[in-house]
Amino acid sequence: SQKIEQNSEALNIQEGKTATLTCNYTNYSPAYLQWYRQDPGRGPVFLLLIRENEKEKRKERLKVTFDTTLKQSLFHITASQPADSATYLCALVSTSGTYKYIFGTGTRLKVLA
Amino acid sequence: DAMVIQNPRYQVTQFGKPVTLSCSQTLNHNVMYWYQQKSSQAPKLLFHYYDKDFNNEADTPDNFQSRRPNTSFCFLDIRSPGLGDAAMYLCATSRVPGGANYGYTFGSGTRLTVV
Repeated sequence: SQKIEQNSEALNIQEGKTATLTCNYTNYSPAYLQWYRQDPGRGPVFLLLIRENEKEKRKERLKVTFDTTLKQSLFHITASQPADSATYLCALVSTSGTYKYIFGTGTRLKVLA
Repeated sequence: DAMVIQNPRYQVTQFGKPVTLSCSQTLNHNVMYWYQQKSSQAPKLLFHYYDKDFNNEADTPDNFQSRRPNTSFCFLDIRSPGLGDAAMYLCATSRVPGGANYGYTFGSGTRLTVV
C-alpha cells in the first residue's frame, strides 16, 4: 500500500543550526512534492513545491531536495530561529492514472534559543 | 487579503445533533476541499469540489455531507456526530487539483468537540 513516513519524534535543534527533516515514501510515483508548515491549532501553510525532475529547490532559508531513486525528500532550514518552531508536513501528488494527494503526519521542529 | 475563512473557530455539539461548518474563500479558486485532522495525525481528505463536481473519498462515512452553493462558499454537514468525529476540520482551496506551484490555501480550521 502507498505510504508516506515522516519522523514522528520531535526534532530539537539549537538556534542558528540547520534543521533537516525527512519525508520517505513507498509504492508511490509522485509527480511533485510539497512542504507545508503547521502551527498549533492552525491550518497548514504552503512553503515549497519540488517536481519529480528537479533535484533541489530553494526559497530564502529553505531548501528542499527530491531523490526519486531513494524515494525521499529532505527539507532544510538554515540559520534556524525559534520562530521556525512548528510542525512540517510533506504532501505527495500523483497525477498518473487516478489523481492522488497524500499528506504525511508531519515532524515537529523545536528551535531552542 | 485574499484568504480562506472558516467559521466558527470552535464548535461544541451534542452527540447525535447535526452540525454545519462553513468555509468561504475570496481567492476565486476552482477547487475546495474538506479535511479532518486528529491530534498528531495527517490531514485526511473527506471530499472535494472541482467547480460544481463533487468528489467523495471512498472511506468518508455517509455521516459527512458537503454543499457548495457557489464558488465562494462550501459547507460541511455532520448529520449525527459521534465522539469519534471530534477533530479539527480544515477547509482548503486550490486553483487546480493538487495545487501545483501554489499548493493549497488552508483556513484556520474549526475545532469540533462532541459532548
